[in-house]
Amino acid sequence: NAGVMQNPRHLVRRRGQEARLRCSPMKGHSHVYWYRQLPEEGLKFMVYLQKENIIDESGMPKERFSAEFPKEGPSILRIQQVVRGDSAAYFCASSPVNRATDTQYFGPGTRLTVL
Amino acid sequence: KNEVEQSPQNLTAQEGEFITINCSYSVGISALHWLQQHPGGGIVSLFMLSSGKKKHGRLIATINIQEKHSSLHITASHPRDSAVYICAVTGGTASKLTFGTGTRLQVTL
Repeated sequence: NAGVMQNPRHLVRRRGQEARLRCSPMKGHSHVYWYRQLPEEGLKFMVYLQKENIIDESGMPKERFSAEFPKEGPSILRIQQVVRGDSAAYFCASSPVNRATDTQYFGPGTRLTVL
Repeated sequence: KNEVEQSPQNLTAQEGEFITINCSYSVGISALHWLQQHPGGGIVSLFMLSSGKKKHGRLIATINIQEKHSSLHITASHPRDSAVYICAVTGGTASKLTFGTGTRLQVTL
């Protein structure tokens, strides 16, 4: 049973370009969470999705960021018109059910560098 | 003030020492998680606690709900334990994690 997969592992973009980060949850998991870790800072929640639904996007910046989790295929975190401050590690995690007492399984992260 | 506070921020120990990392939280929680982030960046879930104590190998995690405090202990520490240890909580019915800032542990020979 493959773990949570993220790609790409490293992504370099110039200011103003778009970044697309992909997350494939563990098999059988229909709940996906995206977290961001800024350099020298702790992890912060961004968005929680189930298949075809955004459940909680309270941690997402209001502009330029969007997320989806379609019926088929991976979850995608999209950052439009990237700026240097978007440089960070982006982790996704998945769980089989939406329970506060469930373990979340993390992917290896995508390290975004904005030049 | 952060909802989840960890101490110490940095910890250096010699191989074989007993290590304790502390976590305090200020909100009602459903569960508390201990995570390990290796130098390469990957994150592994170590424990999920809602009461009492759990043990896995040389790792022990305890939680005191009344005092809103948890500890992670490492017995007979080894250089391969060097990592950042992160405390996180989930609250109410929400399953999103709120994280502490992490404790950077370095175990030397």
